[in-house]
This record gives sequence, structure tokens and C-alpha cells, in this order.
Amino acid sequence: QVQLQESGPGLVKPSETLSLNCTVSGGSSRKYYWSWIRQPPGKGLEWIGYISHSGSTSYSPSLKSRVSMSIDMSKNQFSLRLTSVTAADTALYFCAMGATPFSWGQGILVIVSS
Amino acid sequence: IVMTQTPLTLSVTPGQPASISCKSSETLLHRDGKTYLYWYVQRPGQSPQLLIYEVSSRLSGVPDRFTGSGSGTDFTLEISRVEAEDIGVYYCLQGLQSPQTFGPGTKVEIK
Repeated sequence: QVQLQESGPGLVKPSETLSLNCTVSGGSSRKYYWSWIRQPPGKGLEWIGYISHSGSTSYSPSLKSRVSMSIDMSKNQFSLRLTSVTAADTALYFCAMGATPFSWGQGILVIVSS
Repeated sequence: IVMTQTPLTLSVTPGQPASISCKSSETLLHRDGKTYLYWYVQRPGQSPQLLIYEVSSRLSGVPDRFTGSGSGTDFTLEISRVEAEDIGVYYCLQGLQSPQTFGPGTKVEIK
């Protein structure tokens, strides 16, 4: 059973960069796609993008100019960077396994505020 | 692809059935013959959990009271007999085109 755990700062200042890691544990293979999804407080789910085990990526067009993902499965981790954040980026950020997510982390709340 | 769901809120008596509709703005049928429509439930305070993949395939461990159906652009999730543990927000997701897009969610409440 694969488990995923998000980590990173819970508070980011406007115009700065949001950086999150997702640590994967359990399971035997890491040859999957790995996704990020976010959920603004009290709202629905927004797909951010995914990265493959080999590093190829697909991002949401609405975030593409500000988002990047990386992966290092020797450390059982993949990461999300979102630049130039605003209050609209305040959300619960989930990492997940699968291009279409089928196993999710618990999520980490990131607040963008000065 | 825009996903819509109806109703947005559903209040159900335990033991009664429930039905959620999900519609996509374009067909979700791929040339490989598969239809990339998924159903998730997000129970209070939890992360979303995949229930159904490719319209009607139940994930291992999902109770058989959950049934997905539909084709093309019209899809339905049915719960044959709602139980208290079924409360939460149900989302459909299209995985055919990037960006993948979720429906707005249907909140299922117990009367």
C-alpha cells in the first residue's frame, strides 16, 4: 500500500514561490505518474499537473507559466514549485499517485498572506 | 472539457437510493475504446478517494452499492442504499484531455 505525505511551508508571502515536496512510502514500484491537485478552502478540486517517473510533465494551462515539477525517486520524492503566488493560490494542496489520481496524500494547507 | 454535476446537494434517507448526474462538454470516449470518466468521494476532513474508473469499474474494496454508468457525455453514479458513511462530496473527473477537469461536486447529506 503506497502512502504519500506532503510537506512544506504552510505560509507563503505574496509574490514569492510556493515549494512543496511529496514523500512516497510503501509499495514496490515507483514507475508511475505523480500528480498535484489543489482545493481552495470550501471549494472544489483543481488539477495542477503531473510528472512521470522519467521526468516528463503535463501542466494545467492556467498555471503553466508559474508551475514546475521535479522528481527524485532515489529519495522517494517529487516536488511542486509555484512562482509569483497570490491570495488566489491559497489552498489545500494534495499530491497523488497516477496521472489520473488513484491514491492521495492527506493534503497540506498553504496560505498566501503577508 | 467542462464538467457539470446535478444536483449540487442531495439529502437522502438512509436505506434509500441516490443518483448523481455528471455531464461533459465533449465526449470522453477515446479512440482506444475506453471512456475516461472517474468518480471520487471526499468524506469530511479526508482527501478524495477514487471509487469508479472508466465509467463503471469499481476500485477494489468499494462496496457494490456504488454503480457507475453512462457513455459519451452523460454519466451517472448511483448508490443503491445510502449508508451514513456515504456522506461527503462526490466529484466526477474527466481524464481524456489535459487539463483534466473535475465537476463542481455533489454534496450528499443524510436526512
